[in-house]
Amino acid sequence: SQQGEEDPQALSIQEGENATMNCSYKTSINNLQWYRQNSGRGLVHLILIRSNEREKHSGRLRVTLDTSKKSSSLLITASRAADTASYFCAFVNDYKLSFGAGTTVTVRA
Amino acid sequence: DGGITQSPKYLFRKEGQNVTLSCEQNLNHDAMYWYRQDPGQGLRLIYYSQIVNDFQKGDIAEGYSVSREKKESFPLTVTSAQKNPTAFYLCASSIGFRETSNQPQHFGDGTRLSIL
Repeated sequence: SQQGEEDPQALSIQEGENATMNCSYKTSINNLQWYRQNSGRGLVHLILIRSNEREKHSGRLRVTLDTSKKSSSLLITASRAADTASYFCAFVNDYKLSFGAGTTVTVRA
Repeated sequence: DGGITQSPKYLFRKEGQNVTLSCEQNLNHDAMYWYRQDPGQGLRLIYYSQIVNDFQKGDIAEGYSVSREKKESFPLTVTSAQKNPTAFYLCASSIGFRETSNQPQHFGDGTRLSIL
């Protein structure tokens, strides 16, 4: 199955700053999901946005979806040290999830 | 607490040996999945099961086998035919396979497999 591309591969920011990462895909999707992975751990679901939605919020997270450009972005506002992790987009195609390669975010105290 | 338990956390395989990774869930989910993660890469689907006694190959099934005899258990065997087994293996479950359009997958904490 196809994988998405995430940009940037890595991001280093100061605590309190915002972090933005992008995800692009190639075919039509049912929905797009974002997951977080702390080092050496499993993935934790953050947010799901359906193909007919353009923006969704959850706490300090904001996700946008532009189906015409086949892209999505995840914004983390007012970052904290605990936000240090890898973030993956995953899109549903034929009921299965296809994952991007991820963006590694480091939040410096 | 409901969740997914993977064991062992670390596993070493000798040449020519088959090894089995355990995955147990108490979420009462119908669908279960096995993924492989290599350094700096996303997850790739090995096998998935929509329901008990059913499973299908994912994108990279060669050298792997699974069984789904019980709803809560979905063990993965890495056979000697898998020539490059060193990776991080993640098990996941979801309410139902066709509900993936609206529901997230829940993940275990993974098993790291290395070659001796």
